[in-house]
Amino acid sequence: ELKVEQNPLFLSMQEGKNYTIYCNYSTTSDRLYWYRQDPGKSLESLFVLLSNGAVKQEGRLMASLDTKARLSTLHITAAVHDLSATYFCAVDEEVRGTYKYIFGTGTRLKVLA
Amino acid sequence: KAGVTQTPRYLIKTRGQQVTLSCSPISGHRSVSWYQQTPGQGLQFLFEYFSETQRNKGNFPGRFSGRQFSNSRSEMNVSTLELGDSALYLCASSLRSSTGELFFGEGSRLTVL
Repeated sequence: ELKVEQNPLFLSMQEGKNYTIYCNYSTTSDRLYWYRQDPGKSLESLFVLLSNGAVKQEGRLMASLDTKARLSTLHITAAVHDLSATYFCAVDEEVRGTYKYIFGTGTRLKVLA
Repeated sequence: KAGVTQTPRYLIKTRGQQVTLSCSPISGHRSVSWYQQTPGQGLQFLFEYFSETQRNKGNFPGRFSGRQFSNSRSEMNVSTLELGDSALYLCASSLRSSTGELFFGEGSRLTVL
């Protein structure tokens, strides 16, 4: 069964600090997605990682994918309050011709001024 | 390009009633997935439709059902509502079934009294 685990589940950090969110998954998929959800809002796509070694950056966020380790990281550089949100990773897996799409538990990030 | 549209955005029902939620995907997207999000259970997959066929189904009771029309619009129905059905119901569309970047609607927030 495909499992996607994120850690930490909760993260409180000071503005200006750096931190990394980890996403481990159990499948051999080489596709991983990161989404952001603001409180009370819907999810929006942040990054789409489609191969081993893929790295994407947007502002203070950088995501990478290591398919051999089945690990993706979301690195936050010099955090600002506006980054406070819940971050989800997701993986899709092909099983006998059909795909399953699984989300991680989410990491709730709070950036303190 | 219009995004994913969900209606209604908010609704209040009482136990035992039924509810129908609607989702219009991005033009050209043939896959529509539904998720239930609650504070306690997180983001849970309900079902996915592609070209009017249910492709995947999550672990929810038969009270939860859905369908997709020929124009890719989708509806989900919950019958005999229970208090625990109170949640944010999210719809997501994508080009292909269960793979690729998902585009989420704003959600329908259901409160069951």
